Amino acid sequence: GESVGLHLPTLSVQEGDNSIINCAYSNSASDYFIWYKQESGKGPQFIIDIRSNMDKRQGQRVTVLLNKTVKHLSLQIAATQPGDSAVYFCAENINAGKSTFGDGTTLTVKP
Amino acid sequence: DVKVTQSSRYLVKRTGEKVFLECVQDMDHENMFWYRQDPGLGLRLIYFSYDVKMKEKGDIPEGYSVSREKKERFSLILESASTNQTSMYLCASSQSGGGTDTQYFGPGTRLTVL
Repeated sequence: GESVGLHLPTLSVQEGDNSIINCAYSNSASDYFIWYKQESGKGPQFIIDIRSNMDKRQGQRVTVLLNKTVKHLSLQIAATQPGDSAVYFCAENINAGKSTFGDGTTLTVKP
Repeated sequence: DVKVTQSSRYLVKRTGEKVFLECVQDMDHENMFWYRQDPGLGLRLIYFSYDVKMKEKGDIPEGYSVSREKKERFSLILESASTNQTSMYLCASSQSGGGTDTQYFGPGTRLTVL
């Protein structure tokens, strides 16, 4: 069946280090992927997206990598800051408009 | 900026009550979604709508219904609330076409059913 999963439910990093959050997906037909960030008490917010015809996309301090061969997606956060502490979700678009979300990874940034 | 608002941040209801959760978006988005979020289970899709008066079941529609009478408003209804419906409920909207399908979420409603 369709599923999107994250390798680790929690990740703890030191402030200033780089963070890597991983996600595995199962549907090879998916053509669009999104990373969301959910801070405490708020709804998820869009961070960055990538289409299946790309393998890398960069934003401000964030990079998403897509490896279609092994159906793996990762989010890299450079110079992690305390404000990056949140739950991060990957999402996979299988049908137009509808997303399947992973379970989330909780990132904790230690000062 | 897209704004998605939900009628309540916190709600406490009793078993058997009828519960309405309201969601409004101000960006003229065609698509609207209702999810519930539970620890360890991520976001699970309850219902979604691609247009006014249109609705589709998501992955866990049992015990819920929805209404979309106007484009900007999508309501989630619990006909007879039960304790296992205690959860965080998130509404989202997105624009059709353009190929991006990014969803914009409201702040969530934390519902407790006693």
